[in-house]
Amino acid sequence: SQKIEQNSEALNIQEGKTATLTCNYTNYSPAYLQWYRQDPGRGPVFLLLIRENEKEKRKERLKVTFDTTLKQSLFHITASQPADSATYLCALAGTGRRALTFGSGTRLQVQP
Amino acid sequence: EPEVTQTPSHQVTQMGQEVILRCVPISNHLYFYWYRQILGQKVEFLVSFYNNEISEKSEIFDDQFSVERPDGSNFTLKIRSTKLEDSAMYFCASRVASGGYGSEQFFGPGTRLTVL
Repeated sequence: SQKIEQNSEALNIQEGKTATLTCNYTNYSPAYLQWYRQDPGRGPVFLLLIRENEKEKRKERLKVTFDTTLKQSLFHITASQPADSATYLCALAGTGRRALTFGSGTRLQVQP
Repeated sequence: EPEVTQTPSHQVTQMGQEVILRCVPISNHLYFYWYRQILGQKVEFLVSFYNNEISEKSEIFDDQFSVERPDGSNFTLKIRSTKLEDSAMYFCASRVASGGYGSEQFFGPGTRLTVL
């Protein structure tokens, strides 16, 4: 069955460091991979999208990579700030299902 | 900035009762979605809607669920006979028609449904 795994439930880092979050998937051929931010009790907020034929995308302090051979995406936040503390969700859309399938998320805590 | 709105923010109901959750998608969006998130669990797709019909649904979206776009602005999710396990946060989302099916979705703030 299709599976999306995000590297850990929680990640703690110091302010100013780079946070790296991982999304791995199996039994899936996504055409699109997205990253969302979710704060407690709120809806997901779109951050970045990368297509299957793209290797890397950047937006300000955010960078996402997509390796369809490894079936993995890495999401980086550089120069992290306490305000970046949230849960980050990986979501895929592609063959079999066009709607988004979400991973369980990684809770990032940036310590001042 | 345009946003997706949802009402009510919190709905408490008795098991077996019908509930209707309401959403107003962003005005120029043509694709509409419902997702749910049980407390502490992942966001799960329920249904997508385009051109006044369901375009895709998950195995969760059984005969107890229905969706409707009753007018040009609202998009509703009805649960006919609620069960305890329907307690969750329900998110509405919408997106533009261009950009492909995997393009950015805009989520509402959610309705927390509590079934007693």
